[in-house]
Amino acid sequence: DGGITQSPKYLFRKEGQNVTLSCEQNLNHDAMYWYRQDPGQGLRLIYYSQIVNDFQKGDIAEGYSVSREKKESFPLTVTSAQKNPTAFYLCASQGGQSEAFFGQGTRLTVV
Amino acid sequence: QQPVQSPQAVILREGEDAVINCSSSKALYSVHWYRQKHGEAPVFLMILLKGGEQKGHDKISASFNEKKQQSSLYLTASQLSYSGTYFCGTEENSGYSTLTFGKGTMLLVSP
Repeated sequence: DGGITQSPKYLFRKEGQNVTLSCEQNLNHDAMYWYRQDPGQGLRLIYYSQIVNDFQKGDIAEGYSVSREKKESFPLTVTSAQKNPTAFYLCASQGGQSEAFFGQGTRLTVV
Repeated sequence: QQPVQSPQAVILREGEDAVINCSSSKALYSVHWYRQKHGEAPVFLMILLKGGEQKGHDKISASFNEKKQQSSLYLTASQLSYSGTYFCGTEENSGYSTLTFGKGTMLLVSP
């Protein structure tokens, strides 16, 4: 079955740690996105990539980094520079001017 | 820049109708509509492309006025399953463009 998979579902980070959220898709989509969701804020764009080996900052990229070495994969690293990382993170992929498919999300909590 | 959704929240009784609006300050190529249940991934409802197209399925339909840079989602004879948060996502240009979401409209349908 084609789809987009995020892992882990829940993630706990200690202060000062970097953590990486995984996002894999087998839909052959060129575009992939990372969004952060906080209560009342909607979906805010962190990074996006339209093609392999290329990515662009979104509205709230500070404290995050990404890579796009393969078409199928778009991991997000939450660095220690992100001061308030507790949130629900959603990855999405999109093929052309069509619907975006979302993963099930990763809930990150700082402990 | 996030599109603006209104209202922020709606409470309905089963069988009542609702309209959710989405507006942008930018010229739009497409508008997407998604519904999200708490803690889950957003689910695609429909996409409207430049051209003032109206779409619908079942009792949910949407319109897109590209001149006004606005879209509206119409929920007719609401069902309990319609409860959730509705997001509009907009794309400004065809080709390489980002999908930017509004803050969402929370809809609660009660028996």
